[in-house]
Amino acid sequence: EIVLTQSPATLSLSPGEGATLSCRASQSVSRYLAWYQQKPGQAPRLVISDASNRATGIPARFSGSGSGTDFTLTISSLEPEDFAVYYCQQRSTWPLTFGGGTKVEIK
Amino acid sequence: DVQLVESGGGLVQPGGSMRLSCAASGFRFSNYAMNWVRQSPGKGLEWLSYIRSSDNAIFYADSVRGRFTISRDNAKDSLYLQMTSLRVEDTAVYYCARANQGESGWFDPWGLGTLVTVSP
Repeated sequence: EIVLTQSPATLSLSPGEGATLSCRASQSVSRYLAWYQQKPGQAPRLVISDASNRATGIPARFSGSGSGTDFTLTISSLEPEDFAVYYCQQRSTWPLTFGGGTKVEIK
Repeated sequence: DVQLVESGGGLVQPGGSMRLSCAASGFRFSNYAMNWVRQSPGKGLEWLSYIRSSDNAIFYADSVRGRFTISRDNAKDSLYLQMTSLRVEDTAVYYCARANQGESGWFDPWGLGTLVTVSP
């Protein structure tokens, strides 16, 4: 099973600041990695697919990068609605797995 | 609008069974693979099962293989999860999610989820 390790667990930032979230895979997943955003009481929402493709309706301040085992989700300037938990997920190998999540909270 | 609506959750005793349903609308259900994902209270996401439409190929997470059964009825635009031998640790919100590229792809969209509570 591919283990995805996200860091940091919590990121405390102010609106307008930039955020950098990391996801490391225990073995190469090529570019088969996605990022999801989840707000309290809501279902997750796809943000980035295939490591760097923004999903429909996702603002340009969100960007993804990486390949192989190291991936990054960057939010260039945090808006109030961006404070949430972000999960990475791989679909390179069964079973599909998620990272443990990074909570982006208001400082 | 593409929509997924889960139902069938509730309270069940350990060792019991429950069947979840997911009603799809707004897209050609038969063209897409589907998944179940769960989230235990205050915890992260766990993928459980996948079913392909073209040949009904199925995959399970080790944690549920042999206890849970995924199925679909394309004529009813519906996905199901039959859960047996339920354990306290199966308590979670259960989501259905479409594979967004037909036979494969990412989880998009997700339903709102249905809560399953396993407790004596």
